[in-house]
Amino acid sequence: AQSVSQHNHHVILSEAASLELGCNYSYGGTVNLFWYVQYPGQHLQLLLKYFSGDPLVKGIKGFEAEFIKSKFSFNLRKPSVQWSDTAEYFCAVRGNDYKLSFGAGTTVTVRA
Amino acid sequence: AAGVIQSPRHLIKEKRETATLKCYPIPRHDTVYWYQQGPGQDPQFLISFYEKMQSDKGSIPDRFSAQQFSDYHSELNMSSLELGDSALYFCASSHRRGPQETQYFGPGTRLLVL
Repeated sequence: AQSVSQHNHHVILSEAASLELGCNYSYGGTVNLFWYVQYPGQHLQLLLKYFSGDPLVKGIKGFEAEFIKSKFSFNLRKPSVQWSDTAEYFCAVRGNDYKLSFGAGTTVTVRA
Repeated sequence: AAGVIQSPRHLIKEKRETATLKCYPIPRHDTVYWYQQGPGQDPQFLISFYEKMQSDKGSIPDRFSAQQFSDYHSELNMSSLELGDSALYFCASSHRRGPQETQYFGPGTRLLVL
């Protein structure tokens, strides 16, 4: 079974700062990787996904993530955050069984 | 674009009561997943259906059952509710086309057991 570890529980930063959220997974086979965002009081929305090919994937709202197979990592980045990026961010892994395994989530608070 | 619909959005029940949560997938999606997200926790997979058949089972209590109907909507039935069942229940749908499958989540049903 796959598992996901997110390094940061809570990140606080100012507008225009750069953001990087760590995500490591453990799984012996081929994985598909996802980042979902959950804005306060809302449901999970897909930010970006990696299936194969170029390990640098770009998502919505200026987010990108890099898959580094040798490090079992899929870190999320955004060069310049906005107040509206305040949310909880979940990294998720899907193995051959189709179900998603989520990390514990990282709460990001952006100060205006 | 049409999204996943869940009903009800909020539900309050007493201990030992039953609850039924409904999920209507995105049109042409044939797969439904149920997840439970406790307060301050990450979503945990409960159960999934593909083409009206159960396909995977996670940490779903025996008190819970679910099914997918001919129109692909799904219902999660919860009996003998306990305080610990209070959580946000998400449904996600996908078109199961293999390795490229992506799950899209509904708004969730917030269940409070008193």
